Amino acid sequence: DTEVTQTPKHLVMGMTNKKSLKCEQHMGHRAMYWYKQKAKKPPELMFVYSYEKLSINESVPSRFSPECPNSSLLNLHLHALQPEDSALYLCASSQGEVTGGSEKLFFGSGTQLSVL
Amino acid sequence: SQQGEEDPQALSIQEGENATMNCSYKTSINNLQWYRQNSGRGLVHLILIRSNEREKHSGRLRVTLDTSKKSSSLLITASRAADTASYFCAYGVDSSYKLIFGSGTRLLVRP
Repeated sequence: DTEVTQTPKHLVMGMTNKKSLKCEQHMGHRAMYWYKQKAKKPPELMFVYSYEKLSINESVPSRFSPECPNSSLLNLHLHALQPEDSALYLCASSQGEVTGGSEKLFFGSGTQLSVL
Repeated sequence: SQQGEEDPQALSIQEGENATMNCSYKTSINNLQWYRQNSGRGLVHLILIRSNEREKHSGRLRVTLDTSKKSSSLLITASRAADTASYFCAYGVDSSYKLIFGSGTRLLVRP
C-alpha cells in the first residue's frame, strides 16, 4: 500500500465553523507533512511531524492546529478561518530516516477547502 | 525567499516533441527532486538527483544538475498528451525535513 488517503476531498465552511482534515498512511512512514497550495502556485510547507512530534511549524496562524495521534494519522483542525485560507491542503509522508531533502514524499490527493 | 524559480512558467508543445523545463535555486542544496501534479491533484515524485550527480535518467525523463550555477533541468522526451501537468522542482536547504518547491512549469502537450 503506497497510498496517502485524505478526507474529505472537498470542504466548504463558514468563518465561524470548526472542521478537521484527516490524513492516513500505512507505509510505516515516520515523517508527515501538511502543505497549502493556492491555484497556480507551488505547495507551501505548513507543518512537519517526525515520529509523532511536531518538528516544523512554518509560522502558521493558530487558527490551524495540527495533530498527530499516531504514526499513521495526521489531522489538521481548522477554526475561525478567513476567506484567504481557501486553498488545496495536501498531506504527504516520507520514511523519516534522512533529512535535508533526501527522501521522496508521497502525497495524498488533497482537500479543496473553500471558506465563505 | 528560498523558493526556487522555474522557467518557462508555461509550455505548450505537440505530442512527440521534447519538453525542457528549468529550475534555479538560491542556496546550497543536498539533493534535488522533481514532482508532477495533474490538475487539482496530489503531487507524484518523478526523480531525485544528488548534489554529487550531474545527470540522471528514468525512462523518458532526463534530469541534469549544475551546482555551480544552482540550476537543474528536466527533459521529457517524446512527450505524450498524458504528460500534460505541472512540474515542480523541490529541494532541502538545511538539516530538517523541510522541502521547498520551485514555482512550477505548466506543460500542455497537444495531441
